[in-house]
Amino acid sequence: GQQLNQSPQSMFIQEGEDVSMNCTSSSIFNTWLWYKQDPGEGPVLLIALYKAGELTSNGRLTAQFGITRKDSFLNISASIPSDVGIYFCAGLLYNQGGKLIFGQGTELSVKP
Amino acid sequence: SQTIHQWPATLVQPVGSPLSLECTVEGTSNPNLYWYRQAAGRGLQLLFYSVGIGQISSEVPQNLSASRPQDRQFILSSKKLLLSDSGFYLCAGAFPEAFFGQGTRLTVV
Repeated sequence: GQQLNQSPQSMFIQEGEDVSMNCTSSSIFNTWLWYKQDPGEGPVLLIALYKAGELTSNGRLTAQFGITRKDSFLNISASIPSDVGIYFCAGLLYNQGGKLIFGQGTELSVKP
Repeated sequence: SQTIHQWPATLVQPVGSPLSLECTVEGTSNPNLYWYRQAAGRGLQLLFYSVGIGQISSEVPQNLSASRPQDRQFILSSKKLLLSDSGFYLCAGAFPEAFFGQGTRLTVV
């Protein structure tokens, strides 16, 4: 089946540093989504990407839909302590009725 | 905007008992609906998804089933729970973006 390989699995950074994480797959996706999850809660949508090459920002967050449609990255600039959490990528497959699969997550820790 | 309602927030059930988790969606019609399970705070495993009433796609053979009796209602069920069914269950809905409910922490004892 389809798999999303998300890396890195975890990151420990200093407040103010920039962060980059990515997802790759052997499958082609129609939409890429990036989420953040706080402990004990449901994931919250950060950015949605709809076409190959698209670059979208949401405040300090920037994400891109890879040209091959098989990958995506998320950058966080000037990290702050509240950026702590688990970040997930997700890929949507229209040709499978909107099947939405997730990467394994990147756990971000920010040291003040 | 879309809102996903999921309940209960926590549930403790004995092995062998039945399960019914309900999810409803507001603010959109004919959404895609999804059930995920998350173990140990990492990795969302897709269990079931639905593109319409009565249409269910099952991703992982298991002790669970799903039903969609109404456009905005998605139910996760089991006839007899196993210890391995413990986990954090998340419902999501809408299309193409998926929005999540707050999750149900299920502990099978």
